[in-house]
Amino acid sequence: EAGVTQSPTHLIKTRGQQATLRCSPISGHTSVYWYQQALGLGLQFLLWYDEGEERNRGNFPPRFSGRQFPNYSSELNVNALELEDSALYLCASSPSWTQYFGPGTRLLVL
Amino acid sequence: QQQVKQSPQSLIVQKGGISIINCAYENTAFDYFPWYQQFPGKGPALLIAIRPDVSEKKEGRFTISFNKSAKQFSLHIMDSQPGDSATYFCAANHHNAGNMLTFGGGTRLMVKP
Repeated sequence: EAGVTQSPTHLIKTRGQQATLRCSPISGHTSVYWYQQALGLGLQFLLWYDEGEERNRGNFPPRFSGRQFPNYSSELNVNALELEDSALYLCASSPSWTQYFGPGTRLLVL
Repeated sequence: QQQVKQSPQSLIVQKGGISIINCAYENTAFDYFPWYQQFPGKGPALLIAIRPDVSEKKEGRFTISFNKSAKQFSLHIMDSQPGDSATYFCAANHHNAGNMLTFGGGTRLMVKP
């Protein structure tokens, strides 16, 4: 069974630009979660999508947004990039209780 | 507000020894407590998980001990191996309130040969 996949693996942007990160969940999983893992800040919850709807969001500004498509894949958009947005962005999918993580997208903002 | 506190931040253990990582939580509504293992450049991988109606769960060399009254849980790695060297995260969530994970700060484990 294929795991959670994310693309791209690395992304380099400059301040003010927009970044788009993609996630494909494990087949059969309808929930997708996004987390930010920044140096020194640990893993922080960003967004939760289920059945195409945004169900919850963490303590992040509105320039972090996303969506979930009918095939349950998801996209995370970060607008007006700031230097502190540099981090590993992790996507997880879940059938119920357990969350399974992808390898992440490492975003570097210069 | 950090709702899950993890200690120690780093741990060095000799091969064959026992690695012990502790976590404490504040929110009594948490009802699921997973542990994740993360190698450099990789995403976290689920190691073992427990629900609060169980005091201990063992899977191979990995054991979770759970103390509901103290709001604490710990991971024990028996017969630690150099391949266990990684960062370990405890986490907690409230299944009926969003199911998003609240993570501890992580423990960097090094197992010396």
